[in-house]
Amino acid sequence: QQQVKQSPQSLIVQKGGISIINCAYENTAFDYFPWYQQFPGKGPALLIAIRPDVSEKKEGRFTISFNKSAKQFSLHIMDSQPGDSATYFCAASWSRGATNKLIFGTGTLLAVQP
Amino acid sequence: DARVTQTPRHKVTEMGQEVTMRCQPILGHNTVFWYRQTMMQGLELLAYFRNRAPLDDSGMPKDRFSAEMPDATLATLKIQPSEPRDSAVYFCASGLVPGFTGELFFGEGSRLTVL
Repeated sequence: QQQVKQSPQSLIVQKGGISIINCAYENTAFDYFPWYQQFPGKGPALLIAIRPDVSEKKEGRFTISFNKSAKQFSLHIMDSQPGDSATYFCAASWSRGATNKLIFGTGTLLAVQP
Repeated sequence: DARVTQTPRHKVTEMGQEVTMRCQPILGHNTVFWYRQTMMQGLELLAYFRNRAPLDDSGMPKDRFSAEMPDATLATLKIQPSEPRDSAVYFCASGLVPGFTGELFFGEGSRLTVL
């Protein structure tokens, strides 16, 4: 129940195309769903996050779509650019009293071809 | 600018040796997480500290791993004895609670190779 399942494992998109990465979870106790971006040799960095009471959140070319009933959420990168080539992780967090956890999906390696 | 600092960035050691990784969280952050990243397992949560107290280390192999926060500016992860299967990138991340929204600030990681 603590897992977050992510797909696809890797993705190749042409410049200007739309990149779509999907995630699913089981535990309804999760209260935030962030996406992280990681470049080679660097640590993951927060890209965008959504609460489960919101169905969509957009920041620039990045959009999270959230389906609470299906327990699924996805990241859409519009007008994908070569600079977007990185590994993307979905995650789920929960806070209960003194305990906070952030559980990551397995990651998607995105390559945007020029 | 504020960032999480990890040392060493790279470490090559032989099986059986002790390894200590250090992390300086962002000043003012009261939570510290240790993650391990491998190709096979992705990002695994090893340990979690809040206000320097260990709250969860269930992801850590207890027989050889230990994590501490001797003060608010230093977190350590120790492996003794190290094994080849411990080869991975170890990340430290810090954040703020209450009001946790899943935002953590990660260091650049310590890449460990155990021969």
